[in-house]
Amino acid sequence: QKEVEQNSGPLSVPEGAIASLNCTYSDRGSQSFFWYRQYSGKSPELIMSIYSNGDKEDGRFTAQLNKASQYVSLLIRDSQPSDSATYLCAVKGRNTPLVFGKGTRLSVIA
Amino acid sequence: DAGVTQSPTHLIKTRGQQVTLRCSPKSGHDTVSWYQQALGQGPQFIFQYYEEEERQRGNFPDRFSGHQFPNYSSELNVNALLLGDSALYLCASSQSRVSEAFFGQGTRLTVV
Repeated sequence: QKEVEQNSGPLSVPEGAIASLNCTYSDRGSQSFFWYRQYSGKSPELIMSIYSNGDKEDGRFTAQLNKASQYVSLLIRDSQPSDSATYLCAVKGRNTPLVFGKGTRLSVIA
Repeated sequence: DAGVTQSPTHLIKTRGQQVTLRCSPKSGHDTVSWYQQALGQGPQFIFQYYEEEERQRGNFPDRFSGHQFPNYSSELNVNALLLGDSALYLCASSQSRVSEAFFGQGTRLTVV
């Protein structure tokens, strides 16, 4: 059973701080890693993808991947109240579908 | 460029009935996947269609079936609805050789 684990939260951070979201996965054959943002009552929106070890930056977002530790993280710099949402980690193998974690709820306090 | 579109957005059905949900993929995408998301949970994979065939299937009963048409659009059918089928049903489209998947707005199904 391929599993993706996330802390459900809520994770509360003050406006302007760095939010750090973490995810671990069980399948060592996983090749593609994604972060989706989901606002309440809406569908998931792809915000970051990462395929190799290290960091990948896009604006205020940085995704970090460590395949040896089976660990993926998302950093959000200068957090804004509009970043308040549930963040879903998703993992995919070569010929397997996306497997999602349950998501971490982030609350940015103004 | 239209993204992934799903219809209807909301639906209320009675236990035992059948339902059909529809999805049009993003332009240029040929692969459609369906997910079920219960409240407070992550999306659960139902199945994936490519070249009009079911390519992969998750742990869902045969009451869940689907179809993909030559224009890559897709349908999800659920027979003999149960109260536990109430959820947000999500369609995601992708290109066959690319891992990134993009979701439609979802269909909120309520079974009463």
